[in-house]
Amino acid sequence: GESVGLHLPTLSVQEGDNSIINCAYSNSASDYFIWYKQESGKGPQFIIDIRSNMDKRQGQRVTVLLNKTVKHLSLQIAATQPGDSAVYFCAENNENRDDKIIFGKGTRLHILP
Amino acid sequence: NAGVMQNPRHLVRRRGQEARLRCSPMKGHSHVYWYRQLPEEGLKFMVYLQKENIIDESGMPKERFSAEFPKEGPSILRIQQVVRGDSAAYFCASSQAGTNNFPGGYTFGSGTRLTVV
Repeated sequence: GESVGLHLPTLSVQEGDNSIINCAYSNSASDYFIWYKQESGKGPQFIIDIRSNMDKRQGQRVTVLLNKTVKHLSLQIAATQPGDSAVYFCAENNENRDDKIIFGKGTRLHILP
Repeated sequence: NAGVMQNPRHLVRRRGQEARLRCSPMKGHSHVYWYRQLPEEGLKFMVYLQKENIIDESGMPKERFSAEFPKEGPSILRIQQVVRGDSAAYFCASSQAGTNNFPGGYTFGSGTRLTVV
């Protein structure tokens, strides 16, 4: 079965507010994690990644937090914009899995005007 | 840099026909991955190929599905005798090297949406 899952299937956030999307994983051997954004009719687009030797990484308006103790990953989006509306997937990989990235089910983010 | 190119974007097949999905990786990328996505679902790994080699096909159904990545030309995902359950979006991704050596995961194409009628 899949080793990555998400807590909430849908999240609605007011424009301008911050949003947090959560993800749980079960494989303690996972050492590389990625967040993807998928807009309707398009392929997944890389947002940010983090390796297991880190617990936080920041990009432009996005932050990924990794808690290896509880096997939890989150994506924080600051000052959400209408263009942030999409489905967000967490994905993971470990060195023993031959470069195969495993995806979670996804969270749909709605930005309310 | 044209990115990962998949064609066709949409493909309609009758039950029992064959479907051929093509993927041209990004220039300089020698690793190709195929994923399937059902509506409102995540992407499920199907197969990982390098030029002329299948590295991992653990996600491929045992029958009717095959994939290749020849020395020249695009990678092909072939589905024989399609059934309605094969209707899905099929995404191809490519990378320059293995996951351990690259940042950012894979680069995905825009997918082929297969509808079996």
